[in-house]
Amino acid sequence: EAQVTQNPRYLITVTGKKLTVTCSQNMNHEYMSWYRQDPGLGLRQIYYSMNVEVTDKGDVPEGYKVSRKEKRNFPLILESPSPNQTSLYFCASSLVPGLSYEQYFGPGTRLTVT
Amino acid sequence: ELKVEQNPLFLSMQEGKNYTIYCNYSTTSDRLYWYRQDPGKSLESLFVLLSNGAVKQEGRLMASLDTKARLSTLHITAAVHDLSATYFCAVDYSNYQLIWGAGTKLIIKP
Repeated sequence: EAQVTQNPRYLITVTGKKLTVTCSQNMNHEYMSWYRQDPGLGLRQIYYSMNVEVTDKGDVPEGYKVSRKEKRNFPLILESPSPNQTSLYFCASSLVPGLSYEQYFGPGTRLTVT
Repeated sequence: ELKVEQNPLFLSMQEGKNYTIYCNYSTTSDRLYWYRQDPGKSLESLFVLLSNGAVKQEGRLMASLDTKARLSTLHITAAVHDLSATYFCAVDYSNYQLIWGAGTKLIIKP
């Protein structure tokens, strides 16, 4: 089944404790992206990747890191999480970098930072 | 400033009625996307609109794009309860990045 998977689905952590949210897709998509969703704000892009070893900042990259060592995986790293990073996070992938195709979204990761 | 504004943000309607959700955007773009999100779920692609005048229809939903007016509409015909969800529009402004609207929460009452 074609899908984007994220782990964990739920995470409660404390300020400053490094964490990684994994994202994997099995559709051989070149483009991958991370978003955060907060009430009333829609989705905001954190980082995106056009292909292996090619990443760039989105609209809200502060406090986040990413890597793209393999085509299928695009982990999101929070080196020192803070309470303002409490949010719902989505990973997405798309067939081609030009975004002429729709994005496929993972199930989401709800993160709470206390 | 790049902006995508949806209205209304909240809509409660009766089954069988018609209604339209509007998506206005501030940047030049000829690519716009509509997504649906059910409560507690992920996002699902509904429509991809890639040029001025594009119109797509799927069941009771129809989306259109007017790039000159910087406006897209999502029209719901004879609404049914199963269409209750939050609908987002997103505008492609740089080939790799989208700006998203805040979403329209649609509740359809039986």
